[in-house]
Amino acid sequence: DIQMTQSPSSLSASVGDRVTITCRASQSITNYLVWYQQKPGKAPKLLIYAASSLQSGVPSRFSGSGSGTDFTLTISSLQPEDFATYHCQQSYRTPYTFGQGTKLEIK
Amino acid sequence: QLQLQESGPGLVKPSETLSLTCTVAGDSISSSTYYWGWIRQPPGKGLEWIGSVYYSGSTYYNPSLKSRVTISIDTSKNQFSLKLSSVPAADTAVYFCARLHSNTWYFDYWGQGTLVTVSS
Repeated sequence: DIQMTQSPSSLSASVGDRVTITCRASQSITNYLVWYQQKPGKAPKLLIYAASSLQSGVPSRFSGSGSGTDFTLTISSLQPEDFATYHCQQSYRTPYTFGQGTKLEIK
Repeated sequence: QLQLQESGPGLVKPSETLSLTCTVAGDSISSSTYYWGWIRQPPGKGLEWIGSVYYSGSTYYNPSLKSRVTISIDTSKNQFSLKLSSVPAADTAVYFCARLHSNTWYFDYWGQGTLVTVSS
């Protein structure tokens, strides 16, 4: 299985901050990387697919980059509704695997 | 607007079979563009892909669960289902159904999730 490692596991930030979350794959997954946002008690919400393609309806302050084994999710200016847990997922091959999640909290 | 809804028992006894159904509204489950999948999340933990099914009935399972999992599809009812046999307490989780976009393989629509507790 392809292992996905996110860092940090948790992060404290303030409204207006620029935040970057990293996801590393245990082998090359080219650009088959997906980012989700999950709020407590809710299902994950698709943010970005194919490493850098923004899902329709997702604010442009979210962006993704990377290829191969190293990927980043950047939120350019944090808004109150962005405090949540973020998950990466490799979609290169089955079994699809997820990172352990990064919890973004208000400082 | 596509909607997915999980249904099934919230409590299952150890060693029994967990059975869930996902009802899809707002689009045909027979679309050739999509697969349909199950993902679970134990309390306080990360996400785990269980398996996926195509409208033709083709299935793909996580090898870690493959011996216990069956996913099936009923196009006449616009539903797909999960059966997980011989469940231990460790199978306690929120179970989500979701639509899997083929080609780049991302889950774009999710059900709200249903908590299944394995306990006697």
